[in-house]
Amino acid sequence: DTAVSQTPKYLVTQMGNDKSIKCEQNLGHDTMYWYKQDSKKFLKIMFSYNNKELIINETVPNRFSPKSPDKAHLNLHINSLELGDSAVYFCASSPQTGSNTGELFFGEGSRLTVL
Amino acid sequence: QQQVKQSPQSLIVQKGGISIINCAYENTAFDYFPWYQQFPGKGPALLIAIRPDVSEKKEGRFTISFNKSAKQFSLHIMDSQPGDSATYFCAASRGNDMRFGAGTRLTVKP
Repeated sequence: DTAVSQTPKYLVTQMGNDKSIKCEQNLGHDTMYWYKQDSKKFLKIMFSYNNKELIINETVPNRFSPKSPDKAHLNLHINSLELGDSAVYFCASSPQTGSNTGELFFGEGSRLTVL
Repeated sequence: QQQVKQSPQSLIVQKGGISIINCAYENTAFDYFPWYQQFPGKGPALLIAIRPDVSEKKEGRFTISFNKSAKQFSLHIMDSQPGDSATYFCAASRGNDMRFGAGTRLTVKP
């Protein structure tokens, strides 16, 4: 059973399009995240949700909008895609609210290529 | 502004050798310091972690050394194996906010 699953795994699209990446975790965790990994492998936090509530929102363009319908799901919608959005997007979850256990459980990533 | 600085960017070690990766952090509020291992095409996975109340933690061939006063910590991989070849990330967190270093690509030559 996949603990944190993302779809799609690969996404190739044209500039200007709108696309979504879905994430689901079956670990019963309270907190979910989106990270962006660029071509140099740098992992940058984008958003964090705790029990469907946004708790971290880094300096990310408004074109990126996370949505958490329930605490097991965190989707990422991107409007008006740009070349610089090409990256691997990782969803992650962690078990506890507030008190930090530290461990993030990552999905396998969604590689977005904008042409 | 990168809150966690990691070096080296890449590292080549012979099989059986010791791999050492270093990290430094700025924010003294961080209270959890994990290391993640990432293989190509996969997400990062927790390898080992330490809290600032201890100076060293060992799990098998992997050891974290932590220097709170210097705000530095390092990962030592003893008896490095080709299967250890991966990208390693240090991180620092407080609460739900985890920040990663830039990663070290480790290659262990047979």
